[in-house]
Amino acid sequence: QSALTQPPSASGSPGQSVTISCTGTSSDIGNYNSVSWYQQHPGKAPKLIIYEVTKRPSGVPDRFSGSKSGNTASLTVSGLQGDDEAYYHCSSYAGSQNVVFGGGTKLTVL
Amino acid sequence: QVQLVQSGAEVKKPGASVRVSCQASGYTFSGSFIHWVRQAPGQGLEWMGWIIPYSGATNYAQKFKGSVSMTRDTSISTAYMELTSLRSDDTATYYCARESVYDGTNFDFWGQGTLVTVSS
Repeated sequence: QSALTQPPSASGSPGQSVTISCTGTSSDIGNYNSVSWYQQHPGKAPKLIIYEVTKRPSGVPDRFSGSKSGNTASLTVSGLQGDDEAYYHCSSYAGSQNVVFGGGTKLTVL
Repeated sequence: QVQLVQSGAEVKKPGASVRVSCQASGYTFSGSFIHWVRQAPGQGLEWMGWIIPYSGATNYAQKFKGSVSMTRDTSISTAYMELTSLRSDDTATYYCARESVYDGTNFDFWGQGTLVTVSS
């Protein structure tokens, strides 16, 4: 099972929006609506911010939104704030009770 | 509140084995899958597999079959991950994570991570 493909970096200024892509295949993202996104600050454990492509856990601001088209999922962060500077990881169910992650994207708030 | 507390950092020589523990509290341990995920320095997350605490059933990523073993002790709400025949590229932070109550396969609570360093 190959890792999902994410851009290594993304950036935006405070108040702007930024979108991070996550590309898989028809065996994972393209076949299941079980795409999740995690935010990870340096030295910390990941935090779930999006599940089932578009849903937000309680407490996650609606500035974070997710979408999917074909084999590619996307995370959009609107109204960028300083604390949004972190690594963002996508994951997808990949069939046969397996999970696959992306390589992670470092988001820099300029 | 839900917590997953992992054992401390380990330094191992190539060829050795390591066992990492993950003690759960704040919820019914038997009621949720526990997954293990690792992160090499400066790299992304890598899913290793899961264990069902209720039954002990496991499922491992193809890459780790034959080298990883996940077990649990329900009497102390603790899951274990043992990795054998360690190599330098097994140097990573290992996380346990609870499969969430939400729809789909995702992880709502994570341990603090255990750094395993493999070096001669």
